[in-house]
Amino acid sequence: QSALTQPASVSGSPGQSITISCTGTSSDVGNYDLVSWYQHHPGKAPKLIIYEVSKRPSGVSSRFSASKSGNTASLTISGLQAEDEADYYCCSYAGTTTYLIFGGGTKLTVL
Amino acid sequence: QVQLQQSGPGLVKPSQTLSLTCAISGDSVFSNSAAWNWIRQSPSRGLEWLGRTYYKSKWYNDYAVSVKSRITITPDTSKNQFSLQLNSVAPEDTAVYYCAREGLAGHWYFDLWGRGTLVTVSS
Repeated sequence: QSALTQPASVSGSPGQSITISCTGTSSDVGNYDLVSWYQHHPGKAPKLIIYEVSKRPSGVSSRFSASKSGNTASLTISGLQAEDEADYYCCSYAGTTTYLIFGGGTKLTVL
Repeated sequence: QVQLQQSGPGLVKPSQTLSLTCAISGDSVFSNSAAWNWIRQSPSRGLEWLGRTYYKSKWYNDYAVSVKSRITITPDTSKNQFSLQLNSVAPEDTAVYYCAREGLAGHWYFDLWGRGTLVTVSS
């Protein structure tokens, strides 16, 4: 099964908002509310920022929000800060054969 | 504070076995809620979930189809850790390998990750 589709890169200026899309199929994103998002600064451990489509773990800034419509999930980061510059990955459960697939990752640049 | 500490060799020869360990502190491999996963990342394949082990009255494993014939994930209850073995490795298995906790088994999100181990498959 192919990876979920994310834009390779997005950019924004401090204070602005950006949205990263994550497109799958009716076998994964569209069929389960089990989409999660991770922030990854190279060389560090990935960090969970969204789980079960739109839930935010304790300690994660409210500037991070997410949603899903059909086969596409979206992550929005508002009030961009320099520290948000990182790679972002989406992930979706895909049933008991494939189990889990990740997106290809999106590099966020804060200008 | 819950932490995952990875260990294992960074270089493995082709056709040999890749072995990594993930030591758990602040939680238990016997947890009735968590599952313990291995995930890898490479430039060619991106992030790829490999498999998991978890305990619910007995031990269970799930493995990705892509590695199912070569992978074993084993809990070590005496040391509160879990390990990954990947047999018959090839250069395509070169990747950064992460262990990760699935805080609620079956919910398929990873709330805690190890720092990652770069494993290079080369002679």
